[in-house]
Amino acid sequence: AQSVAQPEDQVNVAEGNPLTVKCTYSVSGNPYLFWYVQYPNRGLQFLLKYITGDNLVKGSYGFEAEFNKSQTSFHLKKPSALVSDSALYFCAVRDPTGGFKTIFGAGTRLFVKA
Amino acid sequence: GAGVSQSPSNKVTEKGKDVELRCDPISGHTALYWYRQSLGQGLEFLIYFQGNSAPDKSGLPSDRFSAERTGGSVSTLTIQRTQQEDSAVYLCASSLAPRGGVQETQYFGPGTRLLVL
Repeated sequence: AQSVAQPEDQVNVAEGNPLTVKCTYSVSGNPYLFWYVQYPNRGLQFLLKYITGDNLVKGSYGFEAEFNKSQTSFHLKKPSALVSDSALYFCAVRDPTGGFKTIFGAGTRLFVKA
Repeated sequence: GAGVSQSPSNKVTEKGKDVELRCDPISGHTALYWYRQSLGQGLEFLIYFQGNSAPDKSGLPSDRFSAERTGGSVSTLTIQRTQQEDSAVYLCASSLAPRGGVQETQYFGPGTRLLVL
């Protein structure tokens, strides 16, 4: 069965510092991996995805993520955090050999302090 | 263009009553998903529709939950005999037919906040 884990409930970082939000997954096949963001009082928005190809994926708002198959990880990163990045971040996985169900992690709340 | 819309935005009901939640996907999106987001929890997959194929109902938590999608567009999630633990935000998302690539991006609606008293 597929699963995804976000080991940190909350990440705190100072504005201008790099940020990392961690995600690990478990699927039987090659995964499709996603990051979504939920800003306060706004709906979930797509950030980036890994389907195939280059392990480093670049997405919206300067975010990027690296697919690491050996470590079964897909950590979200940004070189320089902004206060406006403060939000709830969700990692998600779909096993394309196991149907269309997308499994989301529990979410990590990012606080960027000015 | 118009995004995914959901109605009502908020619903307060009494324990034991039935509720219907509606989702209007983005025009042309053949895939539709329902999720539940409980307070302090992640998104819990409920059900997936794709075109005329049989839906994936594997995430429905009990037989009190059902969903249908009429004409391949609008979807209704029905919760019968609501319980207090059903209180959550119910999110709908749509996408193009997922087969890798851009089609995999899900577009979410604003959600319906359900409170069962």
